[in-house]
Amino acid sequence: AQSVTQPDIHITVSEGASLELRCNYSYGATPYLFWYVQSPGQGLQLLLKYFSGDTLVQGIKGFEAEFKRSQSSFNLRKPSVHWSDAAEYFCAVGAPYFGNEKLTFGTGTRLTIIP
Amino acid sequence: KAGVTQTPRYLIKTRGQQVTLSCSPISGHRSVSWYQQTPGQGLQFLFEYFSETQRNKGNFPGRFSGRQFSNSRSEMNVSTLELGDSALYLCASSADGYTIYFGEGSWLTVV
Repeated sequence: AQSVTQPDIHITVSEGASLELRCNYSYGATPYLFWYVQSPGQGLQLLLKYFSGDTLVQGIKGFEAEFKRSQSSFNLRKPSVHWSDAAEYFCAVGAPYFGNEKLTFGTGTRLTIIP
Repeated sequence: KAGVTQTPRYLIKTRGQQVTLSCSPISGHRSVSWYQQTPGQGLQFLFEYFSETQRNKGNFPGRFSGRQFSNSRSEMNVSTLELGDSALYLCASSADGYTIYFGEGSWLTVV
């Protein structure tokens, strides 16, 4: 069974500082990996996804993530955070075959930005 | 292109009642899935439909059911509501089966 671990429940960073959110997955093969962001009271917005190919993927809002097979990780990064980045971030894993369209989510990391 | 639309956005129900939530997927998307989000359990997969057929089901009791119509719209129903069913219910749709887009959710409070 697939699983996702987000070790950091809550992270606080200063506006303008760099950010890295950690995500580790468990899956027997190369999974499909995703990062979603959720603002308070809202649904989930897809930030980026990794299916195959280049292990560094670019997403929206200036985010990027790097797939590291040897570490079973898919960490999310941003060079300089903005106050509007304050939200909850979820890493998710999906099985790469048609007919299994379900995602397994991590428990999320809440990001607080201080001025 | 309009996103995933869910109705109603907020609702309050009494224990023992039933509730139906509605979801309109992104135009052209044939796969619709539902997730439950609670503070205690996080985001959990409920079920997924494709072309009116349920293809996957999560580990939820039979009180939770769903269906998909020929126009890809979907509904989920929860019967005999319990306090623990209070949650944000998220609908998502997909065109390719892999990239999943979520709606804003329906907030259900059971009192």
